Amino acid sequence: GENVEQHPSTLSVQEGDSAVIKCTYSDSASNYFPWYKQELGKGPQLIIDIRSNVGEKKDQRIAVTLNKTAKHFSLHITETQPEDSAVYFCAAMRGTYKYIFGTGTRLKVLA
Amino acid sequence: EPEVTQTPSHQVTQMGQEVILRCVPISNHLYFYWYRQILGQKVEFLVSFYNNEISEKSEIFDDQFSVERPDGSNFTLKIRSTKLEDSAMYFCASSFDSDGYTFGSGTRLTVV
Repeated sequence: GENVEQHPSTLSVQEGDSAVIKCTYSDSASNYFPWYKQELGKGPQLIIDIRSNVGEKKDQRIAVTLNKTAKHFSLHITETQPEDSAVYFCAAMRGTYKYIFGTGTRLKVLA
Repeated sequence: EPEVTQTPSHQVTQMGQEVILRCVPISNHLYFYWYRQILGQKVEFLVSFYNNEISEKSEIFDDQFSVERPDGSNFTLKIRSTKLEDSAMYFCASSFDSDGYTFGSGTRLTVV
């Protein structure tokens, strides 16, 4: 069935370093891949997304890459700051209505 | 920035009781969703709603669950007879088209 695997489950980096989170999806028909940031006690917040016809997208310190052949996509955060500490979820969408989420990565940025 | 509003933020209920979780989606959005997140686990799809009907539902969304858009602004999730395993954060989301959801802050449901 549809599945999204996400690694690592926890990630600690020093402030200013880069962080990379990777996801692999199973359904080759997936065509949209959002990334969400979830802070404690809050709902997931969309931070960046990519469609299947694009290989890379960047928004300031955040970038996402997609490898359709390998069915994986990655989130890259450069120059990390303490406020980047949160749980990050990747998701894959197939069709119109449903996201399948990854299991989440708890990112800690150490000052 | 427009927000999806969920009430209550926390609901405690006795096993077997009915609960209604309420959501006010963003006003011009057309697609509405409920997801849940059991503590420490991933966010799981429950149901999507478009054009006043369910578009898709997961295997979690059994006969105990129902959704309604009673008045054009609210979007509710009803659990008819709550079980202990229904304890979770329930997130409502909405979108204008099929991607780029906006999530609410969630309702923490505790079944005792």
